[in-house]
Amino acid sequence: DVKVTQSSRYLVKRTGEKVFLECVQDMDHENMFWYRQDPGLGLRLIYFSYDVKMKEKGDIPEGYSVSREKKERFSLILESASTNQTSMYLCASSFPLGTGGETQYFGPGTRLLVL
Amino acid sequence: DQQVKQNSPSLSVQEGRISILNCDYTNSMFDYFLWYKKYPAEGPTFLISISSIKDKNEDGRFTVFLNKSAKHLSLHIVPSQPGDSAVYFCAASRADGNKLVFGAGTILRVKS
Repeated sequence: DVKVTQSSRYLVKRTGEKVFLECVQDMDHENMFWYRQDPGLGLRLIYFSYDVKMKEKGDIPEGYSVSREKKERFSLILESASTNQTSMYLCASSFPLGTGGETQYFGPGTRLLVL
Repeated sequence: DQQVKQNSPSLSVQEGRISILNCDYTNSMFDYFLWYKKYPAEGPTFLISISSIKDKNEDGRFTVFLNKSAKHLSLHIVPSQPGDSAVYFCAASRADGNKLVFGAGTILRVKS
């Protein structure tokens, strides 16, 4: 079974703090993704990575950065947390497109509250 | 600009009856479509998918129909069970990309 784990299920941070969200997958997937889920907006892609040290902006990258130093690990960084970044953050991974990459596998999510 | 739209925010169905969840898309370059199911406090799980070369795919109680000319797909759940109560997301991908584009989701409630 594919397993995608996220470092925290719940986080409470203060405005201006630096926040690290970590994601680890054990299926040797090349692709990894960070989404945020908000009511009525579905899942919106923040960043994705198709290889170690490679990253590409998604639809809403502002206020976020990412790091992928190892294939199995993809980190999302909020340099200076703001209240509008309160959300559910979901990590996913997949094989490259054409090799089953159409299906992404998700972690359990991190619910972040920024006060 | 929402490329994948789920126009019904919620749907309520009686146990044993059919649930039909709808999804429309605008990008004709999409060629693969997926449905994900999400329970509260959990990540989405893959449910069923369909390639654009097909118009129907079935897996147990779940069937996805694709109408390319109308840019419309639907998920049928027969018979519906209370455990099917969840948020259902429609997603689409292009042949030349690694990304999925998700709809806003539909909350399904199956009443017993």
